[in-house]
Amino acid sequence: DTAVSQTPKYLVTQMGNDKSIKCEQNLGHDTMYWYKQDSKKFLKIMFSYNNKELIINETVPNRFSPKSPDKAHLNLHINSLELGDSAVYFCASSQSNGYNEQFFGPGTRLTVL
Amino acid sequence: QQPVQSPQAVILREGEDAVINCSSSKALYSVHWYRQKHGEAPVFLMILLKGGEQKGHEKISASFNEKKQQSSLYLTASQLSYSGTYFCGTAPNAGNNRKLIWGLGTSLAVNP
Repeated sequence: DTAVSQTPKYLVTQMGNDKSIKCEQNLGHDTMYWYKQDSKKFLKIMFSYNNKELIINETVPNRFSPKSPDKAHLNLHINSLELGDSAVYFCASSQSNGYNEQFFGPGTRLTVL
Repeated sequence: QQPVQSPQAVILREGEDAVINCSSSKALYSVHWYRQKHGEAPVFLMILLKGGEQKGHEKISASFNEKKQQSSLYLTASQLSYSGTYFCGTAPNAGNNRKLIWGLGTSLAVNP
């Protein structure tokens, strides 16, 4: 019955590798997000999709590429991983025609060695 | 543009009250409050909209002063479960209500 789920929960990888994080929500929401939370806990929005359309694309390296196959799924692919990419990545979802309260997934802790 | 939260950290004894503030230098349409416990995801607490509308948990109260561009979260009779980091997220207009600008958080520790 998990509302927003992410896989994997932990990801440890070497610099230069490519990795993906998957997110799924079963709340029927039309908007999904990717956030990055660094070691100082600063929460920064990266991307947002509404009904599979990219609506927020913040200044992030183009090594990061989101993909939304349908409105219940939002994946994040990262190419050529760097040390600075180490962080916790949160997926979230909301319904745009309401208060837009966001429901967060459990997070993926990415460690780049 | 990033809202400023104060205080940065607060330590309470169970049963004590606290106020967390969120201030913006720009006009606001909405203020969102979330709590994040250590090692967990942020959880929605409350949203306050320009004009007075709000939605949130029964035990949480907050205010939104549109003229001062400031919101305050009131935690009364604190419980151990209130511990965590509190974030405010702000939106400048209804059209950008999904693109929240987040504060740096206020760390709250409630001790027995």
